Amino acid sequence: QQQVKQSPQSLIVQKGGISIINCAYENTAFDYFPWYQQFPGKGPALLIAIRPDVSEKKEGRFTISFNKSAKQFSLHIMDSQPGDSATYFCAASRRGSGSRLTFGEGTQLTVNP
Amino acid sequence: KAGVTQTPRYLIKTRGQQVTLSCSPISGHRSVSWYQQTPGQGLQFLFEYFSETQRNKGNFPGRFSGRQFSNSRSEMNVSTLELGDSALYLCASSPRGGSTNEKLFFGSGTQLSVL
Repeated sequence: QQQVKQSPQSLIVQKGGISIINCAYENTAFDYFPWYQQFPGKGPALLIAIRPDVSEKKEGRFTISFNKSAKQFSLHIMDSQPGDSATYFCAASRRGSGSRLTFGEGTQLTVNP
Repeated sequence: KAGVTQTPRYLIKTRGQQVTLSCSPISGHRSVSWYQQTPGQGLQFLFEYFSETQRNKGNFPGRFSGRQFSNSRSEMNVSTLELGDSALYLCASSPRGGSTNEKLFFGSGTQLSVL
């Protein structure tokens, strides 16, 4: 059962543009929503994370927007750079689940120079 | 600090064989979790170990097992390999586990090919 749906599957953006990746979840028990970035040949690395008591969190060029009522959250990458080209995964977990993350399908982002 | 180390980096096995993968967490991290990554199924949680005890288990058959040693190093074992077990197996460590706010640190994975 896929509990976190991610879109789009792939995204091409010009340098300096805004990249937007969306995720939707089903399980209302989820209370932690991280985004991971993965480069080829590497494991995922945490980019930014949010909890449902806030609607937005910003770290540098990366912003998470969270809509609890719609059960949706999104990642915005401002001023996208070629070095941002990677696969991005949204994820979710619920309290007490330890390190058990439910991941979205992933979005392959390409930023053209 | 050294990152999460997984060995071997690549592995080729045939159907029916068994395989053992190794993971050394970041020094001081006590929680180790394992994920399977495939193009079709994405990233799926296998299990988590903390203080040598399995704390959480995903929806994988019993052929997939793991253990953790007193120094927090972990191994996972897959018996009676099937073609569908071909995947990138990722290990992640965290200081304590058990908290949904805790950052996971992933290794680069072991790429397993089953022929």
